[in-house]
Amino acid sequence: EDQVTQSPEALRLQEGESSSLNCSYTVSGLRGLFWYRQDPGKGPEFLFTLYSAGEEKEKERLKATLTKKESFLHITAPKPEDSATYLCAVEVRGSTLGRLYFGRGTQLTVWP
Amino acid sequence: EAQVTQNPRYLITVTGKKLTVTCSQNMNHEYMSWYRQDPGLGLRQIYYSMNVEVTDKGDVPEGYKVSRKEKRNFPLILESPSPNQTSLYFCASSLRGGADGYTFGSGTRLTVV
Repeated sequence: EDQVTQSPEALRLQEGESSSLNCSYTVSGLRGLFWYRQDPGKGPEFLFTLYSAGEEKEKERLKATLTKKESFLHITAPKPEDSATYLCAVEVRGSTLGRLYFGRGTQLTVWP
Repeated sequence: EAQVTQNPRYLITVTGKKLTVTCSQNMNHEYMSWYRQDPGLGLRQIYYSMNVEVTDKGDVPEGYKVSRKEKRNFPLILESPSPNQTSLYFCASSLRGGADGYTFGSGTRLTVV
């Protein structure tokens, strides 16, 4: 069965303390891996799409990377406004486009 | 403004009373999808649609129906709601599926008593 696992479940960082979030996947074939950010009480907001091992994408303090079995979301010198839940999702090769599998998310808190 | 609009935002209903949650997008997107989000379980896909009249089941389709008669609308129907369908529901749309990223609505918090 396809599965997406995110770790840690929760992460507390001091402002400026860099760290990484992990998303590991066990799927039969990856079409794409996606990162989203979700603020409390709101819908998820799209951040990145990654397609193949070795690919990297950056946006402000966030950098997403992909290997054959996992993806990392690196947060460099985070600020309190980076506090949110970060969600990872995959689209599986061989399944219909639009069929997504989400992980349970990492709740990030950045304190001043 | 490009957006996905869900209605209502909050709904309290009784077991067995049919209800519809509406979803509309103004971006001419092909793909639309419904999710439910529960504490500790994350986002789970209920149904998704690749185009008008084309829909398919996600992780948890039992107890739900959808229809896609027009490109912009994708309503979620609960024919006979039960308390285990109490949840936060999100509608989302995308031009090309996951690759473009989905735009999510603001959510509908449903309570079934």
